[in-house]
Amino acid sequence: QKEVEQNSGPLSVPEGAIASLNCTYSDRGSQSFFWYRQYSGKSPELIMFIYSNGDKEDGRFTAQLNKASQYVSLLIRDSQPSDSATYLCAVNQAGTALIFGKGTTLSVSS
Amino acid sequence: EPEVTQTPSHQVTQMGQEVILRCVPISNHLYFYWYRQILGQKVEFLVSFYNNEISEKSEIFDDQFSVERPDGSNFTLKIRSTKLEDSAMYFCASTLGEGALNTEAFFGQGTRLTVV
Repeated sequence: QKEVEQNSGPLSVPEGAIASLNCTYSDRGSQSFFWYRQYSGKSPELIMFIYSNGDKEDGRFTAQLNKASQYVSLLIRDSQPSDSATYLCAVNQAGTALIFGKGTTLSVSS
Repeated sequence: EPEVTQTPSHQVTQMGQEVILRCVPISNHLYFYWYRQILGQKVEFLVSFYNNEISEKSEIFDDQFSVERPDGSNFTLKIRSTKLEDSAMYFCASTLGEGALNTEAFFGQGTRLTVV
């Protein structure tokens, strides 16, 4: 059974701080790794994807991938109250469906 | 910006009735998906569709479910005889899907299905 594990949280950080979200996955054949943001009652919105080991930065977001440890993380710098949402980690192999984690709820307080 | 569109946004149906959920994927995308999310739970894969046929399906996608691409733009999910436990948010998604590095899935806004 392919699994993606996330700490459900809530993760609470003050405005301006760095939020660190973590995810582990069970399928060593996974090739693509995604972070989605989901506001309550809304659809998942893609914010980052990463395919290779290491870091990938996009604005305030940095995705980190370690395939040997089967671990992917998302760092959000200068967190804003508008970043408060559930962050979903998802993985797949080429051409196959996404396997989602349950998500981590992030709360950024002003 | 291209987007996946779904209709209706909310559907209420009686148990045992058939429902059809509709989606228009992004026009140049090749892979189409249905996912569902029961309230408070994780997003679960139902089925993927490529080249006018099902390419992958989960154990949730039993004989009560079917998918169709009736024309060049629409992609539909039919539930033949709805059950109370089918109540969920249903998301359509599409990917460009050419090769291993074009698998970013873009989601529609969802259809909230309520079975009463």
